[in-house]
Amino acid sequence: EAGVAQSPRYKIIEKRQSVAFWCNPISGHATLYWYQQILGQGPKLLIQFQNNGVVDDSQLPKDRFSAERLKGVDSTLKIQPAKLEDSAVYLCASSFEQGEAFFGQGTRLTVV
Amino acid sequence: GEDVEQSLFLSVREGDSSVINCTYTDSSSTYLYWYKQEPGAGLQLLTYIFSNMDMKQDQRLTVLLNKKDKHLSLRIADTQTGDSAIYFCAEITGGSQGNLIFGKGTKLSVKP
Repeated sequence: EAGVAQSPRYKIIEKRQSVAFWCNPISGHATLYWYQQILGQGPKLLIQFQNNGVVDDSQLPKDRFSAERLKGVDSTLKIQPAKLEDSAVYLCASSFEQGEAFFGQGTRLTVV
Repeated sequence: GEDVEQSLFLSVREGDSSVINCTYTDSSSTYLYWYKQEPGAGLQLLTYIFSNMDMKQDQRLTVLLNKKDKHLSLRIADTQTGDSAIYFCAEITGGSQGNLIFGKGTKLSVKP
């Protein structure tokens, strides 16, 4: 079974630029999560989708972050404009049932 | 509020047992999880325990749950150098559409 795929693996941008990350979940998984993991911390949930609907985006900084999940499969997470404090690893995860989430390798974003 | 607490570091000798502790806050959590993260990699689900259990064993891993104290522990028997990683405790909060809340992680160092 293929795992959760994310791209790119690494991205370096200047502050105020925009960036987008892509996630392809495990086939058949209805729930998709985006997490932000700042160095030395645990992952923090940004947004949770159930199929193509948003379940929880309470911690998503909506003035600069946006996410969509077209057709309930792939998802993109965008940051526009980026700030220095957005430097982190962005992890995508998917699950079939509540909670047993499988994670991708993440995208490491560096904002300079 | 929601908070999962873990000690940040643990150092053991190869062959010893490791015990990683975690406290959580949501008494209605249905599942509690242990994830492992190796450098530069995503999170790997190690094991989980349902809230109506107090112990689960899976090969070298033993999970103990004390619901009264909201305390979860992960014991790794015969710890190997390959077990060196960051271990995250996570709980499901928010009911049936709940999301996964992570602790900050415990860095396990295994000395030969």
